[in-house]
Amino acid sequence: DAGVIQSPRHEVTEMGQEVTLRCKPISGHNSLFWYRQTMMRGLELLIYFNNNVPIDDSGMPEDRFSAKMPNASFSTLKIQPSEPRDSAVYFCASSRGTEETQYFGPGTRLLVL
Amino acid sequence: GIQVEQSPPDLILQEGANSTLRCNFSDSVNNLQWFHQNPWGQLINLFYIPSGTKQNGRLSATTVATERYSLLYISSSQTTDSGVYFCAVGTNTGGFKTIFGAGTRLFVKA
Repeated sequence: DAGVIQSPRHEVTEMGQEVTLRCKPISGHNSLFWYRQTMMRGLELLIYFNNNVPIDDSGMPEDRFSAKMPNASFSTLKIQPSEPRDSAVYFCASSRGTEETQYFGPGTRLLVL
Repeated sequence: GIQVEQSPPDLILQEGANSTLRCNFSDSVNNLQWFHQNPWGQLINLFYIPSGTKQNGRLSATTVATERYSLLYISSSQTTDSGVYFCAVGTNTGGFKTIFGAGTRLFVKA
C-alpha cells in the first residue's frame, strides 16, 4: 500500500488567501485524522472522521478552518482566509478504527506570509 | 483535560547505549501509542500499547495503565534512532481525543 498521501507537500501563500490541503487515507481505513504541528503547541488534533462523518471538530481553531470527507478515499482541510499564525505542518493520519494504530502521511508544510 | 508528560525532554546518547523514555498521563486512557518523528519530519508508529509489554527488535514498550505511565526502551542505540519520540494517548472523555506529549528529543552520537 502507498500509505497516507498528502498534497501539496509544501505551500507558500499570502495572508488572506484560501488554502486547501488534501489527504488520501490508506485503503480500508475507516478513521481519518487531521493534526497540526507547531513549535509552540506541538501536535494537536484538529478533527477526525469515522466512516466519512466528522465526529469531533473541537480542535479546529476557528471558523476559518473547515474539513470535509466526501468519500472514503479523500479528505480536505481548508483555511479561508489564511493568516500568518496558521503557518505549521499539517498532518493527516488514518486508522482501521478510531482506537487503533494511526498511520501518518508525510505532512504539508504551510507558510502564510 | 488529560495531561501527557514525557521525560526527559532531551537525551544525548553514544551509539550502542541503552535508554528509557517515560510517558506519564493524568487520567485513565483508552489507548496509548508511541511514535518516532525522524529528522525529515515523518511520524512513524512504533507501538500501539494500551497495556502490557511489546517488543519490536531493539525497541520495546511497557504500559501500566493502572499507574498511568508508559515506558519506551531503546537498546543498542544507533544514529538512525535520532529524532523525537512522542507518546500519544486516546481518551473518550468528552468525545474522542488523541493527545500528544511534548516529546523526547534524542540524539545518538556516532
